[in-house]
Amino acid sequence: DAGVTQSPTHLIKTRGQQVTLRCSPKSGHDTVSWYQQALGQGPQFIFQYYEEEERQRGNFPDRFSGHQFPNYSSELNVNALLLGDSALYLCASSLRYRDRAPSGANVLTFGAGSRLTVL
Amino acid sequence: KQEVTQIPAALSVPEGENLVLNCSFTDSAIYNLQWFRQDPGKGLTSLLLIQSSQREQTSGRLNASLDKSSGRSTLYIAASQPGDSATYLCAVRRSYGGSQGNLIFGKGTKLSVKP
Repeated sequence: DAGVTQSPTHLIKTRGQQVTLRCSPKSGHDTVSWYQQALGQGPQFIFQYYEEEERQRGNFPDRFSGHQFPNYSSELNVNALLLGDSALYLCASSLRYRDRAPSGANVLTFGAGSRLTVL
Repeated sequence: KQEVTQIPAALSVPEGENLVLNCSFTDSAIYNLQWFRQDPGKGLTSLLLIQSSQREQTSGRLNASLDKSSGRSTLYIAASQPGDSATYLCAVRRSYGGSQGNLIFGKGTKLSVKP
C-alpha cells in the first residue's frame, strides 16, 4: 500500500520565480494538508484541502496557493519566490471522517517532502 | 496563540540509557497531542498519539504522558539504541479551529545515541 508520495524531491529556483509541488495521498485518504519546514524549525501549517476546496489556512501570504483534484491529489504553488521560502515542504494525508475508516487506517501520514532552495 | 516548546533542543546519550524528552504548550485547550520522529531530510513518522482525555500511551520502548492542565507532555525512551537517533517533534491539535491535519509543532529535540 503506497504511502504519501511527493514530487519533485529536490529543486532549485531563483528569486521571483514560481514553483509547483505535487502530492499524492495515501490510498483511502481524502484530505491533504501542506506544511513548510525551515531548517532547524518545526513544520508550519500552510493549508488543508478537502473535496477540492481549501478548508483551513495557516498564516501564509496569498503567494501560497493550492489545488486538490478529483482523485484527491494536490498541488502547492508558490509565486514570486523569496529567499525565505527555502524549506522542506511536507504533504500529509488523512481521512476526514474517522467513522468511515477501518480501525488504524485514519492516521495522519506524511510524505518525505520536497526540498526547495531559492537562490 | 498556541505555542509549543521542546526542551532540550539537542541531546546526546550513550547507548542503553533511558531518557526523557519534554514538550510544553501554552493553551490547554487541545484535542490531542502527538509525538513524531523525523530522520534527516525525511518526512515525519507518527510515534504516539494521546487524546486530551488520556494520561499516557505506550508503544514498545516508548511511553508518552500528558498533563493537560499544566501544559506538559513527556516522551520516555527506554534502553536507547543508535537507531533511535533522530529529531523528535511534539505537535498539538487545537480543540477549536483545529483538525487532524492542522497541527502546531514544536521545533523538536535532536537525539543522538552513541554506540
